[in-house]
Amino acid sequence: AQKVTQAQTEISVVEKEDVTLDCVYETRDTTYYLFWYKQPPSGELVFLIRRNSFDEQNEISGRYSWNFQKSTSSFNFTITASQVVDSAVYFCALFVTDSWGKLQFGAGTQVVVTP
Amino acid sequence: DTGVSQDPRHKITKRGQNVTFRCDPISEHNRLYWYRQTLGQGPEFLTYFQNEAQLEKSRLLSDRFSAERPKGSFSTLEIQRTEQGDSAMYLCASSLAGGPSETDTQYFGPGTRLTVL
Repeated sequence: AQKVTQAQTEISVVEKEDVTLDCVYETRDTTYYLFWYKQPPSGELVFLIRRNSFDEQNEISGRYSWNFQKSTSSFNFTITASQVVDSAVYFCALFVTDSWGKLQFGAGTQVVVTP
Repeated sequence: DTGVSQDPRHKITKRGQNVTFRCDPISEHNRLYWYRQTLGQGPEFLTYFQNEAQLEKSRLLSDRFSAERPKGSFSTLEIQRTEQGDSAMYLCASSLAGGPSETDTQYFGPGTRLTVL
């Protein structure tokens, strides 16, 4: 069975602080994909990144960075120098190649950035 | 390039009524998905279309739920005899992909929030 765990329910930070969101996944498959989505208060899920199981390189995009470690089945997400606009719920999701279209989401982490 | 759109954005109905939601995917996308999200939870997969064929349905999709994608473009999700437990956000997503095992990035619409009184 596939499972995604986001143990942090809510993280509160003051603007300009860094924040790291944890994501731990479970799958028996060797080929899979991991995603992060952002859900602001408006409700729409916004795609942030996709990473396949064969690519363990870390990635940086502006103030966002991702750390993928297969050895610990983790795909963590860091926001550097947080801003109020980063306040949202962030979801980690797993796609396994034999599951057709199904994304398995974690429960999400609410990030609250205060000025 | 317009994104995924959903209509209506909000729906309030009384228990026992039927409701129908519409999703218009990104125009060139061949895959369309429906998810349901309840408060404080991540989205849960309901069903998936490749073009007009419905290829997978979750056990969450009871007999009261039906989804169609008649011409491989827009899709509708109908809930018959609504129950209070159906209250949730219904999300639609679309993607462009080739073979069945080829992954793709799913782009989501704004959702339809259903409240059943």
